[in-house]
Amino acid sequence: DIQMTQSPSTLSASVGDRVTITCRASQSISSWLAWYQQKPGKAPKLLIFKASSLKSGVPSRFSGSGSGTEFTLTITSLQPDDFATYYCQQHNSYFTWTFGQGTKVEIK
Amino acid sequence: QLQLQESGPGLVKPSETLSLTCSVSGGSISSSSYYWGWIRQPPGKGLEWIGSVSYSGSTHYTPSLKSRVTISVDTSKSQFSLRLSPVTAADTAVYYCARHPRGDAMDVWGQGTTVTVSS
Repeated sequence: DIQMTQSPSTLSASVGDRVTITCRASQSISSWLAWYQQKPGKAPKLLIFKASSLKSGVPSRFSGSGSGTEFTLTITSLQPDDFATYYCQQHNSYFTWTFGQGTKVEIK
Repeated sequence: QLQLQESGPGLVKPSETLSLTCSVSGGSISSSSYYWGWIRQPPGKGLEWIGSVSYSGSTHYTPSLKSRVTISVDTSKSQFSLRLSPVTAADTAVYYCARHPRGDAMDVWGQGTTVTVSS
C-alpha cells in the first residue's frame, strides 16, 4: 500500500503569511495527488487535483506543485478563512485512495 | 448543482450491521465518467477511503475493510449504499459519501453523518 506522510502536523501562522505544507508518498504516484481543506464539522473541500490543477472557484492564492514522491501545497498571503486542516490524497494506485494524516493551520 | 446527502441510523450496536444511503440530486448517478465513494473520519482523526461503486455496480474496497464492506448502487432511486458488518467501537466515525471521476480526486461531498457504535 502507498503511504502518504504530511509535514508539519500543525503549523502556526499569521494572516498574510506564506504557508507551505509538504506531502510525501512512499512510492512514486506521478502527479496523481489532490489537496483538500476541511473546517471543523464540515466535509472536506477539494482544492487541487493532479498535483497542480486548481479546482474552479478556489482562490488563486492556493497552489500545488510536485511529482513523483514529493508534493507541496502553498498558500500565499494566508487569509482568516484559510485556518483549517489540509489533507493530501493520492489517487494513483488504481482504485486505492490514501489520505495523508492532515496538517492543521492555526492562528499564531 | 450536484448534491449528495447521507442518511441512516446514528447509533449501531456492536456486532451488528451499519447501513447508510447516499442520495444524489441535481445530476445523474448513471454517468459512466464517475464513481461514487464512501469515506469515513473517526473522532479527532484523519480521513479513510472505504470504497467506491460505479453506476453499473463495479466495486472497489480498501483492503483493510474489504471482508466487512458491501457498497451497492440503485440507479432507479439515484442512491448508493454502504453496509459494514460486523461493527465494533472502532467503526465510530463521521461517514461521508462523495463523487469522483474514475481514478481521480473527490470533487463533490455530502455533508457527512455521524455513526456511533455502542451498546
